[in-house]
This record gives sequence, structure tokens and C-alpha cells, in this order.
Amino acid sequence: QVHLQESGPGLMKPSETLSLTCSVSGGSISSDYWSWIRQPPGKGLDWIGYVYYSGTTIYNPSLKSRVSMSLDTSKKQFSLKVTSVTAADTAVYYCARAHYDTLTGYSSFDQWSQGILVTVSS
Amino acid sequence: DIQMTQSPSSLSASVGDRVTITCRASQTISIYLNWYQQKPGRAPKLLIHAASNLQSGVPSRFSGSGSGTDFTLTISGLQPEDFATYCCQQSYSTPFTFGPGTKVDLK
Repeated sequence: QVHLQESGPGLMKPSETLSLTCSVSGGSISSDYWSWIRQPPGKGLDWIGYVYYSGTTIYNPSLKSRVSMSLDTSKKQFSLKVTSVTAADTAVYYCARAHYDTLTGYSSFDQWSQGILVTVSS
Repeated sequence: DIQMTQSPSSLSASVGDRVTITCRASQTISIYLNWYQQKPGRAPKLLIHAASNLQSGVPSRFSGSGSGTDFTLTISGLQPEDFATYCCQQSYSTPFTFGPGTKVDLK
């Protein structure tokens, strides 16, 4: 079973760049889509974007100008960067596998990390 | 973006009850609809994919139905471990979007 573990800072100041890394174990990173999803305190889930093992990325337009993702197959890691953070970026950040069924075309987030709370405060 | 809505936003139920949660998409999404369960302080857990397919390891008391814009999650015989928040998610087009969630608590 694939296991995901994210790492990164828990506290940041406004205008800094958030960097998170997700390590994948128990399976291959060279397939499927690898996503970042966040959840502000007491609110619902927001999809940030995904990176495919080939390096192809798709971002949520709401964050597109500030977000970048990358993937390192040799380290079995993928990462997220969010520039110019504000208090509105305070959230629990999850990394997740978006499993894509090549036969049907359907996808779902079937494996999730435990989540990391990132707080942006001066 | 495709907007997802859910009803009710919360409900109170007893162990053994049959619970139904509705999810509606702002445009047709075929069966590109997934359901998740989330407990406080925990990551979401996939329950149902492609509208009606039970994820491996998920108890059979969970079921999903629907297509187009209207979908339903049913829990037949609520168990103590089922008290949680349930949300839907469309995978029809990016940006993928989630419903706001339905909190199921103990009556």
C-alpha cells in the first residue's frame, strides 16, 4: 500500500514562500497523478493541483500565479511551492495520489498523507 | 469551475439508522463523482469512486448512486465509527472541486 508523508514548515510569515515535500513509499511514483490539496481551519477541501510523473502539471487557476509543483522520481518525492503567502494560505496541506483508471477514465484521491498544518502569521 | 453542493449540511442520527446524503453538481458530470469520509484531525478517506463503486476495504453498508448532476451517498445501518463528515468531489474536469461536507453526528 502506498504511503505518503509530507514535510515542511509549520509556521511562516506573510510574503514568504511555502515549500512542502511529499515522500512516497510502498509503491511507484512513476504512474498516476500526484496532488496537493488544502483545507483551511473549519472549512472544506481545496484542490491546489497535480503533477504527473512525466512532469506535466495542472494547477487550480485560483492559485496558478503563485503555485509550482515538481516531481523527482529518483527520490520518490514530489513538491509544492506557494509564493507570497498570506494568512489566507493558512491551512492543513495534504498530498494525495490521484489514481487514474486508464480503462474508464475515472480518477479519485485514493491515498492521502496525514496532513500538515501551515500557519501564516506575522 | 464546477460547483458542488451538498444537503443537508449536518444531520443527527442514531446507530442503526439509514442515512442519505445528497450531492449536486452545477453542470453534468456523468459519473465522475467520488465520496470521502473525514474524521476530526484526520485525512479524508475514499469511500466511493465513479459514483457507485465501493473502494476496496470499505464496508458494504456504504453505497452511492446517481449520474449527471444529482448523486446520493447512503449508509445502511449507521455504526458508531461512521460519525464523521462526508464530502463529494467531482473529477470530471479541472479544477477538481469538493462539496462543503455533511456532518453526521449522534442524535
